[in-house]
Amino acid sequence: EVQVVESGGGLVQPGGSLRLSCAGSGFTFSDYHMDWFRQAPGKGLEWIGRTKRTSHNIIEYAASVKGRFTISRDDSKSSVYLQMNSLKTEDTAVYFCARDGGRGPDFDDWGQGTLVTVSS
Amino acid sequence: DIVMTQSPLSLSVTPGEPASISCRSSQTLLHSNGNNYVDWYLQKPGQSPQLLFYMSSIRAPGVPDRFSGSGSGTEFTLRISRVEAEDVGVYYCMQGLEIPRTFGPGTKVNIK
Repeated sequence: EVQVVESGGGLVQPGGSLRLSCAGSGFTFSDYHMDWFRQAPGKGLEWIGRTKRTSHNIIEYAASVKGRFTISRDDSKSSVYLQMNSLKTEDTAVYFCARDGGRGPDFDDWGQGTLVTVSS
Repeated sequence: DIVMTQSPLSLSVTPGEPASISCRSSQTLLHSNGNNYVDWYLQKPGQSPQLLFYMSSIRAPGVPDRFSGSGSGTEFTLRISRVEAEDVGVYYCMQGLEIPRTFGPGTKVNIK
C-alpha cells in the first residue's frame, strides 16, 4: 500500500526555523516527483514546491517561499524534507506532501498533513 | 502565474440530483501534445485532498463513475450525475501545465 506520512510540525516564533519530513512507503521513492503544499486555516490549497525524481535533479519553488524554504530528498530513506527558515505568521498552515503519479501531474497520494503555527 | 477560477463557490444539492462545477484558467491548459493539464481534487471534511481526475477527464482509480470531468483550453467542468452524502466537501481544480501549480479557490458542496 502506498503511504505518505509527514512529521515535524509545531509551534515556532516568527523568524524561527522548522524542518518537516515526509516519508514514503509502498513504492519506489526515487522514481517519483514529490511536492509540498500548504493550507492556511480555513483557506484553499497552495503549492509550495517540488523535487523531481532523482534522475532529473530539479527542485522548484513558489515565489512566496523561494529563498526561505529549501526542499531536499534522501532516496535512501524514502524521504523528502522541507526546511523552513525566516518563518512569518502567514506561513501558519497545515503542510502536506504528495506523490506525483507522473501522469499529468496527478497527486495521487497525500499525507495527512502536519500543522505549523508561527506565533509569538 | 496561471489564475484558476471556479464557480459556484458553494453548492447545496439534494441527494440523487446532479451537480456541476465550472473551472476556468487565465490561459490555455492545452499542451501541444493534445493533453489538457488540469486536475480535480476533493477534500472531504477533516481529510487530505484526494485526486478525482487528471488531464481533465481521466478518472483516478477508485473514483465512482457518477463523477465525470470534461473541458479543454480554458474551460473545464466537473459533473456529478447523482450526488450522494459522501460527496460533501470542497472541490478544487488545479492546473498542471506550468510551475507554479495553481489551484482554484474551491467549491464547497453540501447536502440539502
